[in-house]
Amino acid sequence: NAGVTQTPKFQVLKTGQSMTLQCAQDMNHNSMYWYRQDPGMGLRLIYYSASEGTTDKGEVPNGYNVSRLNKREFSLRLESAAPSQTSVYFCASSVGFGGGQPFNNEQFFGPGTRLTVL
Amino acid sequence: DQQVKQNSPSLSVQEGRISILNCDYTNSMFDYFLWYKKYPAEGPTFLISISSIKDKNEDGRFTVFLNKSAKHLSLHIVPSQPGDSAVYFCAASRAYSGAGSYQLTFGKGTKLSVIP
Repeated sequence: NAGVTQTPKFQVLKTGQSMTLQCAQDMNHNSMYWYRQDPGMGLRLIYYSASEGTTDKGEVPNGYNVSRLNKREFSLRLESAAPSQTSVYFCASSVGFGGGQPFNNEQFFGPGTRLTVL
Repeated sequence: DQQVKQNSPSLSVQEGRISILNCDYTNSMFDYFLWYKKYPAEGPTFLISISSIKDKNEDGRFTVFLNKSAKHLSLHIVPSQPGDSAVYFCAASRAYSGAGSYQLTFGKGTKLSVIP
């Protein structure tokens, strides 16, 4: 049981390049999230997927796109990277709604991807 | 406009003593609160949560207190251990509001150092 896994762990891009960050969870969670953390800041939500087949914007969605590929996988794409997107990116998952149980938003995080855009 | 504030960037405590980490929020719609612990180069780890229908929740050495009228919560760690040294984040959400339920708003974190 690996929990939440993210690839790659580190990445350096040049301005204008594109890349996709991958995230997978094996906890059968319904909901998945992408956050970014900048120095001295808390985590800020970029996008989330409440359930398979749905995605919604969070607090800082500009410059990003996401795909909920299936229940396990949720990817984050930077189409044209900018230096302002230099950050540590975390993927998370939670049970969310489902199974007749009360809503559960205890989020479990992956180890992060450290991205530098030059 | 910061809706969740952790006003102490850092805190040092002697091993065996109590650590108290504080968090204030401004959005009265928040009704579910969580604490996360983060070690360097790792993702945050869920510690403990509390809903607005309670004023206290305990889990082992960790207790969270919620004062709704003051819009304030605190995390108590007793006794503190060197392995507790980490950054602690407070987070809040609206648990029963549909789309708002999914969005956690985080504070900037407090770095706790437990001195042996």
